[in-house]
Amino acid sequence: DQQVKQNSPSLSVQEGRISILNCDYTNSMFDYFLWYKKYPAEGPTFLISISSIKDKNEDGRFTVFLNKSAKHLSLHIVPSQPGDSAVYFCAASERFYGGSQGNLIFGKGTKLSVKP
Amino acid sequence: GAGVSQTPSNKVTEKGKYVELRCDPISGHTALYWYRQSLGQGPEFLIYFQGTGAADDSGLPNDRFFAVRPEGSVSTLKIQRTERGDSAVYLCASSLNRRGLGTETQYFGPGTRLLVL
Repeated sequence: DQQVKQNSPSLSVQEGRISILNCDYTNSMFDYFLWYKKYPAEGPTFLISISSIKDKNEDGRFTVFLNKSAKHLSLHIVPSQPGDSAVYFCAASERFYGGSQGNLIFGKGTKLSVKP
Repeated sequence: GAGVSQTPSNKVTEKGKYVELRCDPISGHTALYWYRQSLGQGPEFLIYFQGTGAADDSGLPNDRFFAVRPEGSVSTLKIQRTERGDSAVYLCASSLNRRGLGTETQYFGPGTRLLVL
């Protein structure tokens, strides 16, 4: 059973509008969450992260929101640009709880297309 | 500075053959991870090194897979008797992972695309 789920395989957004990518998780021991962006034929590129002690982290056009009670996080991109078109992966780890070395558990990804 | 590098970028082999995939992490990063990504899936953890030792190899699918990191820097993932199901992109990542601070952000290489015919 998947511990990290991205239920939308794809998302299409107009340039300048907001892109919202969603991610759900089932393991309550996860305490660190990351978003990666991946272009074709390249490795995932780190975008933004959030610790479970926070509910929001912002970096420029990118904001990640964490709702621990719902086991849900989302990535907001405002304003969206054509260069943001890529596959976005949500990942989670047990960073501070015992037993894990912080291996990342990934969702299947959401392909974002930003149309000019 | 230089990021994580992986060689070869592409590898085509025949079923039953042996392959080696190389990863050169970011200088100074003590933690190194191997992941495998199949089509339409997210990366899946294979093995984690802290320094020279494999701290967690629970993601290796079977004993045909083995990885080493003899000097705590470059790592090699070795696959024996390859099968068609081993075809995937093999990703390497590294992080600082200073002890006591938990795992830090992992930075990925471009991957090696392995095709087993």
